[in-house]
Amino acid sequence: DSGVTQTPKHLITATGQRVTLRCSPRSGDLSVYWYQQSLDQGLQFLIHYYNGEERAKGNILERFSAQQFPDLHSELNLSSLELGDSALYFCASSPRLDGLGSDEQFFGPGTRLTVL
Amino acid sequence: DQQVKQNSPSLSVQEGRISILNCDYTNSMFDYFLWYKKYPAEGPTFLISISSIKDKNEDGRFTVFLNKSAKHLSLHIVPSQPGDSAVYFCAASAENNFNKFYFGSGTKLNVKP
Repeated sequence: DSGVTQTPKHLITATGQRVTLRCSPRSGDLSVYWYQQSLDQGLQFLIHYYNGEERAKGNILERFSAQQFPDLHSELNLSSLELGDSALYFCASSPRLDGLGSDEQFFGPGTRLTVL
Repeated sequence: DQQVKQNSPSLSVQEGRISILNCDYTNSMFDYFLWYKKYPAEGPTFLISISSIKDKNEDGRFTVFLNKSAKHLSLHIVPSQPGDSAVYFCAASAENNFNKFYFGSGTKLNVKP
């Protein structure tokens, strides 16, 4: 158990819909990262938040957005869903802002999104 | 644009033998590398890392080797155990862009008893 929680575990929805994925980081961790893992693909970095502020963006679609709240939990919002958005979405937390030493990230179990 | 590549999707090894997992990268700015292990239905867990100032880092049965000139790293597991069966991801980041981590597509290791 990494200490990172993600809800829901599974989500099935239809094209065109909007969903929200939630992540609670480990206690005390200020950084939250979001990743997408499509079938047979590696983890694609989406976005990084530190203490409520966006710090880095990866290949995140404009239809996707995220935020980190004052209590440090984070939400990833996916809208106008397409079939290709079906994937595992992981969040990870870290106590650090930076990758100096690139401190390890602690991953949650993931949310499996299926778009029908 | 896949900056970190794991060209072997799977590897099968006999228990007790050495497992060697490979990873190549294209971005010469990468200066920190990590390996993660992932079991089914779980998130990845950190295994071992290496900074570009080193060419080897060892932690118990796990050793990571870095060849900067070849832009190649490898993870050696000796001796391999059935519990090591999992998907292994390598990842990289650059000091000038340290908030971003680039992952390979993973290698599924099967250690046969």
